[in-house]
Amino acid sequence: DTAVSQTPKYLVTQMGNDKSIKCEQNLGHDTMYWYKQDSKKFLKIMFSYNNKELIINETVPNRFSPKSPDKAHLNLHINSLELGDSAVYFCASSQSHRVSRDQPQHFGDGTRLSIL
Amino acid sequence: DQQVKQNSPSLSVQEGRISILNCDYTNSMFDYFLWYKKYPAEGPTFLISISSIKDKNEDGRFTVFLNKSAKHLSLHIVPSQPGDSAVYFCAASARDDKIIFGKGTRLHILP
Repeated sequence: DTAVSQTPKYLVTQMGNDKSIKCEQNLGHDTMYWYKQDSKKFLKIMFSYNNKELIINETVPNRFSPKSPDKAHLNLHINSLELGDSAVYFCASSQSHRVSRDQPQHFGDGTRLSIL
Repeated sequence: DQQVKQNSPSLSVQEGRISILNCDYTNSMFDYFLWYKKYPAEGPTFLISISSIKDKNEDGRFTVFLNKSAKHLSLHIVPSQPGDSAVYFCAASARDDKIIFGKGTRLHILP
């Protein structure tokens, strides 16, 4: 019963390619997120969607485009992959986009993206 | 610009003893603080949180202390168990609802 599942778990690809990472949550949450954990181990938010509407869009290159077909799914498409995109990408969800005492974010297990 | 700092990359503690993980922050607008635990090849899982109106929150073996004047919080785990070996992330949020994470501290519980 995986609450937040993301695929693939590992992704190895060449520079310049386009790739997608999928995320699904079965918790009935309204808000979903994408985080990036780079080589320095910082976990930084990239995007968040609340009921399919974009609410947080950090300074991320236009090559990254999130898509939320419904509130249970938030996919991340990356165009023209670069070496610096190598990282672990985590999807997460929460009941509401308001950081709340009783509604923490639930994370997926991550997608390790390696650019050759 | 690290708004949430975990200055100890790793910490080793004997099983049964107290583990103390520290975290400092710079943004005085932060009003909610969280700790997440992460095992290898898994995502972070929520552990415990504290609001800025409190200075202590306890949940079983886990206690978080907040010192607002020092902009410092700490997570105490007592007694430490082998399953506590993991990376612990400190995180904080201001009214814009973004959660800012620290770099994490790797805790090793020694037998």
